[in-house]
Amino acid sequence: AQSVAQPEDQVNVAEGNPLTVKCTYSVSGNPYLFWYVQYPNRGLQFLLKYITGDNLVKGSYGFEAEFNKSQTSFHLKKPSALVSDSALYFCAVRDIKTGANNLFFGTGTRLTVIP
Amino acid sequence: EPEVTQTPSHQVTQMGQEVILRCVPISNHLYFYWYRQILGQKVEFLVSFYNNEISEKSEIFDDQFSVERPDGSNFTLKIRSTKLEDSAMYFCASSQRQLNTEAFFGQGTRLTVV
Repeated sequence: AQSVAQPEDQVNVAEGNPLTVKCTYSVSGNPYLFWYVQYPNRGLQFLLKYITGDNLVKGSYGFEAEFNKSQTSFHLKKPSALVSDSALYFCAVRDIKTGANNLFFGTGTRLTVIP
Repeated sequence: EPEVTQTPSHQVTQMGQEVILRCVPISNHLYFYWYRQILGQKVEFLVSFYNNEISEKSEIFDDQFSVERPDGSNFTLKIRSTKLEDSAMYFCASSQRQLNTEAFFGQGTRLTVV
């Protein structure tokens, strides 16, 4: 069965500091991994994805994520946080082995960037 | 930039009533989905739809739920007899066929059952 864990409900970081939002996953086969961001009263916006190739993937708004197969992790990072990055972040996985197209989401991490 | 649109943004209904949530997916997408997010909880998969039929569904998607693509553009979720626990934000999403493509989500419909 597929699952995603986001161990931190809340992450606070000062503006200008690097940020990390953690995600670990469990799938039966190889994963496709995604990060989405949700701003208040908005839908989910796609940030980036890992499919294959380089373990470090770059996405929208200066975000990047590193795929680590041995640790089954896909942490979201940004070198310098902005106040406007404050939002709810969701990690999601798609299990290639099942062939199913649906995403399994984590519980979300609320990022607050403090001015 | 193309986007998924959902209507209404907020719907209040009495328990036991039928509701239809509407979505217009991105025009060249082939897979369509419904997800829901109960307040404060994670986003949960309900159903996916491809080639005019359900391709996958979760255990949440029981007999009171149905989906339809009545024409070339709309994709609807019907809840036949709403329960209090159906109160949630419902997201429609669409994607191209390939597994390695991301899904694009609408802004959601907040359903409140009273």
